[in-house]
Amino acid sequence: DSGVTQTPKHLITATGQRVTLRCSPRSGDLSVYWYQQSLDQGLQFLIQYYNGEERAKGNILERFSAQQFPDLHSELNLSSLELGDSALYFCASSVEGNPTDTQYFGPGTRLTVL
Amino acid sequence: GENVEQHPSTLSVQEGDSAVIKCTYSDSASNYFPWYKQELGKRPQLIIDIRSNVGEKKDQRIAVTLNKTAKHFSLHITETQPEDSAVYFCAATPPPYNFNKFYFGSGTKLNVKP
Repeated sequence: DSGVTQTPKHLITATGQRVTLRCSPRSGDLSVYWYQQSLDQGLQFLIQYYNGEERAKGNILERFSAQQFPDLHSELNLSSLELGDSALYFCASSVEGNPTDTQYFGPGTRLTVL
Repeated sequence: GENVEQHPSTLSVQEGDSAVIKCTYSDSASNYFPWYKQELGKRPQLIIDIRSNVGEKKDQRIAVTLNKTAKHFSLHITETQPEDSAVYFCAATPPPYNFNKFYFGSGTKLNVKP
């Protein structure tokens, strides 16, 4: 157990809908990262937050947004969902948010868009 | 931006044999190279990492080598065991505060046959 929690574990929804994925980092970690892993694909970095502020942005679609709250938990919002958004979404956390920090991954949320 | 290529995409070895996975990167400024292991249905976990001021690093049966001149690094697993079966991802990242260039390789599916 990495100490990073994600809810829900599974999510099934329809095209055009909006969902929110939740992540709680390890105790003491200030930075949260979101990744997307499509079927048989590698990890694609979406976005990083550090202490409530956006630090870096990867290949995140405009239909997706995220935020990190004062208690350091983070939410990833996915809207106008398409079939291609079906994937495993991982959250990770690290102490300071430097690229050389070890990232601890949560168990992931499996999103299925029908 | 950085481009990380990983080979092979699949690797099958007999238990007890060695396995080698190679990654090449394009950004000569990259200075941190982690390797993650992802078992089926599980979260990615950091197994070893290397920084650009080190040529080789070992941790029991796993080792990573780095050739900065050629811009490639490799993961070596000796005396493979069935529990080593997983997907392995490499990554490369340049100096801090440039996280949006943190790219993962496409992954290598290692199958260790008993």
